[in-house]
Amino acid sequence: EAGVAQSPRYKIIEKRQSVAFWCNPISGHATLYWYQQILGQGPKLLIQFQNNGVVDDSQLPKDRFSAERLKGVDSTLKIQPAKLEDSAVYLCASSFGTTNTDTQYFGPGTRLTVL
Amino acid sequence: GQNIDQPTEMTATEGAIVQINCTYQTSGFNGLFWYQQHAGEAPTFLSYNVLDGLEEKGRFSSFLSRSKGYSYLLLKELQMKDSASYLCAVRDLEGSNTGKLIFGQGTTLQVKP
Repeated sequence: EAGVAQSPRYKIIEKRQSVAFWCNPISGHATLYWYQQILGQGPKLLIQFQNNGVVDDSQLPKDRFSAERLKGVDSTLKIQPAKLEDSAVYLCASSFGTTNTDTQYFGPGTRLTVL
Repeated sequence: GQNIDQPTEMTATEGAIVQINCTYQTSGFNGLFWYQQHAGEAPTFLSYNVLDGLEEKGRFSSFLSRSKGYSYLLLKELQMKDSASYLCAVRDLEGSNTGKLIFGQGTTLQVKP
């Protein structure tokens, strides 16, 4: 079974530029998550989708971050404009549903460096 | 509020046993997960506890005490490849009807020969 796919794996941009990340979840997984992991910290949830609807985006900085999941499959996360503090690994995860025992499976992540 | 604490770093010897502790404070506890994350890689699922007690899976075991807000991950017969960060994550239903994972900062384990 193929895992969660993400691209690009690495991205370096200058502050105030824009960037987009792509995620393709495990086939059949209805729920998709975007996390931000700053070096030395645990992942922090940015946004959660159930199919193509947003379930939780309470920690998404909406003035600069946006995400969409058209057709309820793959998803893109965008940052515009980027700030230095956005330097982090952006992890995408998916789960079959949202029941209490659903395990989240993570992709390899995109390491973003903002200069 | 939500708070998850785990030690920042631990060191152990190959072949030994190590216990990584995690304490948490959440309003809507609904399960605790342990993930392993090697440097530069994605977290991978290790274990899940929702009821009190011990869950054993090969060389890894995880324990939960809900009344104490406490969990530990036990790694036996340590191997060099076990050197990684171990993330404790709690599913919290507060403010969410589906629950979200709140991660600790991770414990970096170094296994020495």
